[in-house]
Amino acid sequence: DADVTQTPRNRITKTGKRIMLECSQTKGHDRMYWYRQDPGLGLRLIYYSFDVKDINKGEISDGYSVSRQAQAKFSLSLESAIPNQTALYFCATSDLARTDTQYFGPGTRLTVL
Amino acid sequence: AQSVTQLGSHVSVSEGALVLLRCNYSSSVPPYLFWYVQYPNQGLQLLLKYTSAATLVKGINGFEAEFKKSETSFHLTKPSAHMSDAAEYFCAVSERNNDMRFGAGTRLTVKP
Repeated sequence: DADVTQTPRNRITKTGKRIMLECSQTKGHDRMYWYRQDPGLGLRLIYYSFDVKDINKGEISDGYSVSRQAQAKFSLSLESAIPNQTALYFCATSDLARTDTQYFGPGTRLTVL
Repeated sequence: AQSVTQLGSHVSVSEGALVLLRCNYSSSVPPYLFWYVQYPNQGLQLLLKYTSAATLVKGINGFEAEFKKSETSFHLTKPSAHMSDAAEYFCAVSERNNDMRFGAGTRLTVKP
């Protein structure tokens, strides 16, 4: 089984809808991250969490919110989706004690019409 | 904040030729540096990482990278390209207790 899983893998929604993307990990890492990937822009950090009680905004947090329900779960929400949030979304985890290498999920392709 | 610049959004080489993907970083503290690879329709996979030990780092699939502090560079190389190396490559920098920043990516094409 994969160490970092994301659901759903693909989602098409309409402008104004609320969307939640979920991430689960079995690596036992404290740190979790949400990124979006757009062609030519690489990965940009949306939010990150260094433990269950710690949530931090990344480079592009506007329009997004997160919830760290447990050490193993980190959800990303779009309260009112807009077309320019169409992108590939990745969850990642890391463990500072192991040089903070990040391990990525398979991604969620989100299309907002 | 730390940042990464990848020179060249697209690199094309012939099979068997040298692969050189360039990465320059900016960091206020000694950084951790990473190269990740993304194959089509997949997530990112770690190729190699620099964590302040040896400056020449060897990774998977025959890739290596050299940390040069004086040049603030961490270029990725492979002596002989294979068709299977075609992918997008991302350089990233982390300042330990800070978040990781990624470059915009370099798409590598390998011609037969």
